[in-house]
Amino acid sequence: DAKTTQPPSMDCAEGRAANLPCNHSTISGNEYVYWYRQIHSQGPQYIIHGLKNNETNEMASLIITEDRKSSTLILPHATLRDTAVYYCIVRDPRGSTLGRLYFGRGTQLTVWP
Amino acid sequence: DSGVTQTPKHLITATGQRVTLRCSPRSGDLSVYWYQQSLDQGLQFLIQYYNGEERAKGNILERFSAQQFPDLHSELNLSSLELGDSALYFCASSVTVRPYEQYFGPGTRLTVT
Repeated sequence: DAKTTQPPSMDCAEGRAANLPCNHSTISGNEYVYWYRQIHSQGPQYIIHGLKNNETNEMASLIITEDRKSSTLILPHATLRDTAVYYCIVRDPRGSTLGRLYFGRGTQLTVWP
Repeated sequence: DSGVTQTPKHLITATGQRVTLRCSPRSGDLSVYWYQQSLDQGLQFLIQYYNGEERAKGNILERFSAQQFPDLHSELNLSSLELGDSALYFCASSVTVRPYEQYFGPGTRLTVT
């Protein structure tokens, strides 16, 4: 699985958009970008995934650059409940590692009032 | 609520003892995963089962073992416990063996004294 690089921490004002970057310069053609988050000591929560097109769901939007070497998770209107560690994971869902997820250190997002 | 349940929520035990952690996956999910989260190691994949069979293994210690039963619930057995085994243990589940999404339980906090 490709290695990812995320800033260790970010903060955002409540109601504003939170843009969380992730670099994955060694991503291969079959690898998807996944985002999970973990609110303090709770189980991680799946947010969104994408291959090369931008994706949006009820939680967030995922913007992947054309060369696929980086991506940005966007929380359009951050709330205090979005304070969490956000993990960017790159993996091939059809690869030999099956369902295994590699979690790095992620980005601690703090949303302030 | 992800639909994945884990028991017990907290467990305190002494070094050298053996404990069993239990996980019930979401209804319809055939794959179960175990992860360990400690302060120094972060979230680490331990093992994956699919429909009762072991399918992928991470850095799981020989003192640890797991199984998935015919009703699809899973147990993680930890023996000869050491202080360093103190951690949060998460179970996750998915429909397929190569999922896009995994759903995590609330975790079991193990404290070894």
